[in-house]
Amino acid sequence: DGGITQSPKYLFRKEGQNVTLSCEQNLNHDAMYWYRQDPGQGLRLIYYSQIVNDFQKGDIAEGYSVSREKKESFPLTVTSAQKNPTAFYLCASISGLINQPQHFGDGTRLSIL
Amino acid sequence: AQSVTQPDIHITVSEGASLELRCNYSYGATPYLFWYVQSPGQGLQLLLKYFSGDTLVQGIKGFEAEFKRSQSSFNLRKPSVHWSDAAEYFCAVAVNRDDKIIFGKGTRLHILP
Repeated sequence: DGGITQSPKYLFRKEGQNVTLSCEQNLNHDAMYWYRQDPGQGLRLIYYSQIVNDFQKGDIAEGYSVSREKKESFPLTVTSAQKNPTAFYLCASISGLINQPQHFGDGTRLSIL
Repeated sequence: AQSVTQPDIHITVSEGASLELRCNYSYGATPYLFWYVQSPGQGLQLLLKYFSGDTLVQGIKGFEAEFKRSQSSFNLRKPSVHWSDAAEYFCAVAVNRDDKIIFGKGTRLHILP
């Protein structure tokens, strides 16, 4: 079955360490998104990519980086510059076809040790 | 800039009672509108969407929503809730089909037995 796979489900980071969250989709979708979710804050857009080798900053991009070398993959790196990285991270993708919604992965919960 | 407001952070209803979750958006033209549901520790699942046409849209799990242009609203309804409907619900809006999707901050639904 097609879908979005996020890994790992739980991730722990030490102070000053960079960590990378994986997002893979086999839906052949063009656009991919990363959101951060905090209690009571809804989903806030970190980065998005509408095509391979291109991506744009969202509303809260500081302290994060992404790459889009392949259509199916959109990894997110949480750098040491992100001072409050503890959150639930969701990856989503969307096709280029009209009337199609975003599909979401099951998320990665990142915590600081 | 477009925005989405979900005025109720928490709503509690008894099992079998009717439900209405409110959503208001801010945008001059008719946007694309969505309702998603999220169970704890999971990604988001699309309940229904509105792009054009009939302003009353049917979704999965017995949910429906009505688009009211005059009120800039897209409220979600269900005639009789089940305990399994307890979750967090997000309203979302997109201006263009492949533009960013803006999410509300969510409404957490609690069900009383």
